[in-house]
Amino acid sequence: KAGVTQTPRYLIKTRGQQVTLSCSPISGHRSVSWYQQTPGQGLQFLFEYFSETQRNKGNFPGRFSGRQFSNSRSEMNVSTLELGDSALYLCASSSSAGVRTGELFFGEGSRLTVL
Amino acid sequence: KNQVEQSPQSLIILEGKNCTLQCNYTVSPFSNLRWYKQDTGRGPVSLTIMTFSENTKSNGRYTATLDADTKQSSLHITASQLSDSASYICVVGTSSGNNRLAFGKGNQVVVIP
Repeated sequence: KAGVTQTPRYLIKTRGQQVTLSCSPISGHRSVSWYQQTPGQGLQFLFEYFSETQRNKGNFPGRFSGRQFSNSRSEMNVSTLELGDSALYLCASSSSAGVRTGELFFGEGSRLTVL
Repeated sequence: KNQVEQSPQSLIILEGKNCTLQCNYTVSPFSNLRWYKQDTGRGPVSLTIMTFSENTKSNGRYTATLDADTKQSSLHITASQLSDSASYICVVGTSSGNNRLAFGKGNQVVVIP
């Protein structure tokens, strides 16, 4: 069974640009959640999507947004990039239980560097 | 504020030795507690998930304990191997609020031969 796939794995952007990251969950999983990981803050929850609806959202500004498609694939977008947005962005998929109680299966992440 | 504190921040152990990692949390209401292993440059991998009623759970050489009364958890690694070198992250789930998961910053473990 294929795991969670994230693309791209690495990318470099400049301040003010926007970026879109993609996540394909494990087949049959309907929950996709996104996380930001930095050396200083560790892992932080961004948001969770379930059946194309945002179910939970962390404490991030509106520049961070996401969506989920009917095939459960998800994208997250960061607009007007800032230097502090440099991080590893992780996606996780879960069964119907979702983030609250379900086991999370993480992808390898997309490493974003903002110059 | 829901917080998860892990200690020690980092440690070095000899191959074959045991070690114990600590996780203290103030998350309320409590839903579950998870331990993840994250190798450098990789995504986290689940080791254990425990609910309120469970106080011990094992996954091979990894054994997690939970004391919901004192809000403490530990992860014990038995007979460490070089492949155990990784960051171990404690994650506590809550059943209320939008931020359903609170993350610790991880225990960085280095196993040396």
